[in-house]
Amino acid sequence: EVQLVESGGGLVQPGGSLRLSCAASGFTFSSYWMHWVRQAPGKGLVWVSRINSDGSSTSYADSVKGRFTISRDNAKNTLYLQMNSLRAEDTAVYYCASGSPIAVAGTVSAFDIWGQGTMVTVSS
Amino acid sequence: AIWMTQSPSLLSASTGDRVTISCRMSQGISSYLAWYQQKPGKAPELLIYAASTLQSGVPSRFSGSGSGTDFTLTISCLQSEDFATYYCQQYYSFPPTFGQGTKVEIK
Repeated sequence: EVQLVESGGGLVQPGGSLRLSCAASGFTFSSYWMHWVRQAPGKGLVWVSRINSDGSSTSYADSVKGRFTISRDNAKNTLYLQMNSLRAEDTAVYYCASGSPIAVAGTVSAFDIWGQGTMVTVSS
Repeated sequence: AIWMTQSPSLLSASTGDRVTISCRMSQGISSYLAWYQQKPGKAPELLIYAASTLQSGVPSRFSGSGSGTDFTLTISCLQSEDFATYYCQQYYSFPPTFGQGTKVEIK
């Protein structure tokens, strides 16, 4: 079964750090670009970050640039998001998602496999 | 970034109805548009890509149309399991962006 399972969410104080993980199974993880997308409570979907298949290229939304770091370990089929200097506005459910190899234009794609999400709450 | 306007934000409908959701882009994106369905407490699911191509396993009552700046998601005969929130997403240019969502609720 094709699956993405996130973990690592929780409650953290403003200025704190958290590391999210996303374990992949059922597909060739190392062949896919991977993404993080977040959703604040009651709000819409916002793309956060991406990493290419071998981990050599990364991109970030302006709102998290310089604070978040995406990485991957293809030997462990796992995607990560290191989140530092967290702010209240980072409170959201964080989803990992794979970039579709079919629905793609250059390096931008739709997202065809999603994890169940992990909740991050930034509050004192 | 490309901005999108989805309408309506809330749609009240009954089982069996034909419903239409619109997504308008701030600039042309050819056909690089996807639609997602999200149920409460669940992750989004890809329904349609390339504006009109159904993802594998998606029922044929879902269809998409449009190109350039104006796109439409149609559900031909609304089923109980279709009550959810729907999002459009462009992948024409970086960064990928989503519409604000349309909640389809029971009338």
